[in-house]
Amino acid sequence: DGGITQSPKYLFRKEGQNVTLSCEQNLNHDAMYWYRQDPGQGLRLIYYSQIVNDFQKGDIAEGYSVSREKKESFPLTVTSAQKNPTAFYLCASSIEAGRYNSPLHFGNGTRLTVT
Amino acid sequence: KQEVTQIPAALSVPEGENLVLNCSFTDSAIYNLQWFRQDPGKGLTSLLLIQSSQREQTSGRLNASLDKSSGRSTLYIAASQPGDSATYLCAATNYGGATNKLIFGTGTLLAVQP
Repeated sequence: DGGITQSPKYLFRKEGQNVTLSCEQNLNHDAMYWYRQDPGQGLRLIYYSQIVNDFQKGDIAEGYSVSREKKESFPLTVTSAQKNPTAFYLCASSIEAGRYNSPLHFGNGTRLTVT
Repeated sequence: KQEVTQIPAALSVPEGENLVLNCSFTDSAIYNLQWFRQDPGKGLTSLLLIQSSQREQTSGRLNASLDKSSGRSTLYIAASQPGDSATYLCAATNYGGATNKLIFGTGTLLAVQP
């Protein structure tokens, strides 16, 4: 079955540590996205990538970094510079970033807790 | 700056009832309006996408409408079932930029009581 796989489902880290969240898709989609979801707030875009080896900052990129070395993979690193890293992180993909009427497909998310 | 609002934040209805979820947006220059479903602790599932040139879209018991002039979209669920219980989110895609950038509402938590 085609889809987006995020791992792990739950992640716990100590403050000051960097952590990397995995996102893999087998939908052959060009565009991939990382969103953050907090209680009482809508999803907010962290980073997006339209093609391999290219990515752009979203609305809340500070304290995060990404890479896009393969079409299938778009890992997100939460660095120690991110002031409030505890959240639910969602990865998504779409056929092409420029096709505005193509729906997003989401993974099942990673819940990160930093103490 | 686009802002998307969903009211109410939570809704509880008895099984079998027809219901309407509301979504408002401040900037009418949108490409489309999407409705998603989110189950607890899960990702989002796309339900319906209405293009800016369309007035409504239907899928099974779901019907979504779009009125750009008033900045509103509604999701109508017919004959609700307990399995419809979830959070429903709407998201608008604005003109500009080279990405499918969505602005999300905060969602409506729906509980359908058996």
